Amino acid sequence: GESVGLHLPTLSVQEGDNSIINCAYSNSASDYFIWYKQESGKGPQFIIDIRSNMDKRQGQRVTVLLNKTVKHLSLQIAATQPGDSAVYFCAETGRAGNMLTFGGGTRLMVKP
Amino acid sequence: DGGITQSPKYLFRKEGQNVTLSCEQNLNHDAMYWYRQDPGQGLRLIYYSQIVNDFQKGDIAEGYSVSREKKESFPLTVTSAQKNPTAFYLCASSMAASSYEQYFGPGTRLTVT
Repeated sequence: GESVGLHLPTLSVQEGDNSIINCAYSNSASDYFIWYKQESGKGPQFIIDIRSNMDKRQGQRVTVLLNKTVKHLSLQIAATQPGDSAVYFCAETGRAGNMLTFGGGTRLMVKP
Repeated sequence: DGGITQSPKYLFRKEGQNVTLSCEQNLNHDAMYWYRQDPGQGLRLIYYSQIVNDFQKGDIAEGYSVSREKKESFPLTVTSAQKNPTAFYLCASSMAASSYEQYFGPGTRLTVT
C-alpha cells in the first residue's frame, strides 16, 4: 500500500549548521505534502507545506524541496538552533477525504 | 485563543476498564481526527469525522469508539477490547474539503496496567 518513509531516523547536527531531513513517498497520486515538528510530549506543529505542482517552497529558515521524479521530499533548516531539536514528520495526501499518511519521523538533535 | 484542547494530559487505567479521552476545538473546523502514536513511531489514524453526527473508521479502529454530537467535540473511548491501549493519543482538526492541513492538540498519554 501507499507509504511515507524516512531515510534517517536520527540526525545530529551542530548548532548553526544547516539540517536536511529526507522523506520518500510511494504514492505518485499525492498532491500535497506537509512537514510537522513534534517536540517531546507535545502534539505535532505545522511547519511548511508544498503542493505537487511546485518543486520548492521557502519559509522562515525552512525550505521544502519536492522531487516528483524520484518521489522524494526534503526539509532544510538553515542555521539550526537548539529549539529545532524535535521529531520531524512528513505527511502526504493520497487518500480520499483529506486523509494524511504520516511517515515514521526523524529525530533531530542539535548540539550546542 | 483558538485551538484544540485534550484532557487529561496523563491518564492511568486498569486493564478491562473503558476510558474516554476528551478533545475540544474552538477553531470552527468541520473535520476532526484521532490518531495513536507509539514510541518512536508515526501517527496512525483511529477514527475521523467530517461533519457532526457522522464519523468513519480509520486504519486501526478496532477497540475504539467515538461520537460527534457537537461540532467542537470529538471524544474517543478506548474500550476493554483494545488489546494494547497504552499509547499517546492525538486529536486533530481541519477545515473539511478545502484544507488538508491538520491542527493538533497537545495529546493524552494513556497508560493501562
